[in-house]
Amino acid sequence: DAGVIQSPRHEVTEMGQEVTLRCKPISGHDYLFWYRQTMMRGLELLIYFNNNVPIDDSGMPEDRFSAKMPNASFSTLKIQPSEPRDSAVYFCASSLILPPETQYFGPGTRLLVL
Amino acid sequence: AQSVAQPEDQVNVAEGNPLTVKCTYSVSGNPYLFWYVQYPNRGLQFLLKYITGDNLVKGSYGFEAEFNKSQTSFHLKKPSALVSDSALYFCAVRDADGGSQGNLIFGKGTKLSVKP
Repeated sequence: DAGVIQSPRHEVTEMGQEVTLRCKPISGHDYLFWYRQTMMRGLELLIYFNNNVPIDDSGMPEDRFSAKMPNASFSTLKIQPSEPRDSAVYFCASSLILPPETQYFGPGTRLLVL
Repeated sequence: AQSVAQPEDQVNVAEGNPLTVKCTYSVSGNPYLFWYVQYPNRGLQFLLKYITGDNLVKGSYGFEAEFNKSQTSFHLKKPSALVSDSALYFCAVRDADGGSQGNLIFGKGTKLSVKP
């Protein structure tokens, strides 16, 4: 298996623009997680899905952030409008079940909002 | 509420020396504990986990961790450090009694630097 795939790997945009991050989980994994990593706040869970259904979105910072999972092999995280403070590395991860099952992380998308 | 603390932002060791990266946790029930490693410009990679049983857990790349319930700790160790071990290390916890709710809580991370 190719592992968790994320695109793009790098994104530079201007404040106010819409940003869409994409994730393809490992085939057969029922759980998908979106994390954000910054120097100040470390690694934060934004939202996670089980069988394409959002289970916990309490980590989504504002209404500007939205996430969807239209099918088992694809998820998006959208920021509209983007702001400089959204600059971070965004990771997608997937797992068969919740912990103690291991989560597998994608390589991340490095977002810079100017 | 569950939480995890990594008291050291950075750990410096010389190659060949033993290393320890510290982690303490707080959960209301029994813990599931994890260590992940992040190399520069990469995603997190699983190293090892404690679920139940033997308090000493062995993982990838020669790493091990010891679960200490009385001290609520799960320190990561390696007998002989390599320069290639230099990376960011994350401890994570989940309450085993959390049922179908809840995910991992990650520590802030500890940067390990191994010098030749």
